[in-house]
Amino acid sequence: AQTVTQSQPEMSVQEAETVTLSCTYDTSENNYYLFWYKQPPSRQMILVIRQEAYKQQNATENRFSVNFQKAAKSFSLKISDSQLGDTAMYFCAFTRYYNQGGKLIFGQGTELSVKP
Amino acid sequence: GAVVSQHPSRVICKSGTSVKIECRSLDFQATTMFWYRQFPKQSLMLMATSNEGSKATYEQGVEKDKFLINHASLTLSTLTVTSAHPEDSSFYICSAPNWKQETQYFGPGTRLLVL
Repeated sequence: AQTVTQSQPEMSVQEAETVTLSCTYDTSENNYYLFWYKQPPSRQMILVIRQEAYKQQNATENRFSVNFQKAAKSFSLKISDSQLGDTAMYFCAFTRYYNQGGKLIFGQGTELSVKP
Repeated sequence: GAVVSQHPSRVICKSGTSVKIECRSLDFQATTMFWYRQFPKQSLMLMATSNEGSKATYEQGVEKDKFLINHASLTLSTLTVTSAHPEDSSFYICSAPNWKQETQYFGPGTRLLVL
């Protein structure tokens, strides 16, 4: 069975600084998708970034980028130039997608606080 | 991006009553939708997979007679909490995969409080 682990329950960063959130996963599959979702205090889940396992290039979305290490089964999220609005819970998620009907497996979450 | 709506956003009910929560995919069709439960500061716990035109698939430990799921159309799934009790109070979230975008989108959630 696939599992996703986020080993940092809480993190904090100063505004404008850079922070990296860790995520590891376990699977025997070769094709899958990885996601980072943000859940601010409103509790709306917002997609931050996605990565297809077959793509070697790391995904980037503006200030958000990932370090995808397939062999190590690691998928960390880097937030550059942190802003107060980045304060939220961040969840790493895995899916085999088509083989599982899109079912997501979530990590435990990391609560990020951006301090002024 | 794709949008998923959820209604109501908040509901307070008396113990013993039933509550229905609707989840709609607004600009794409979803043959599958997912229902989650989330406690404060915790991750999302998958309750069941809603399948259009067939029975829902429940995760282990989730009472199917307690949490009734109906996927009436390609854009609507409903979760009914039957004979609700205070321990059912929680935050319920639905999601739907958008196959074209290979991404899953979430509703804004429903906060249920059972008195």
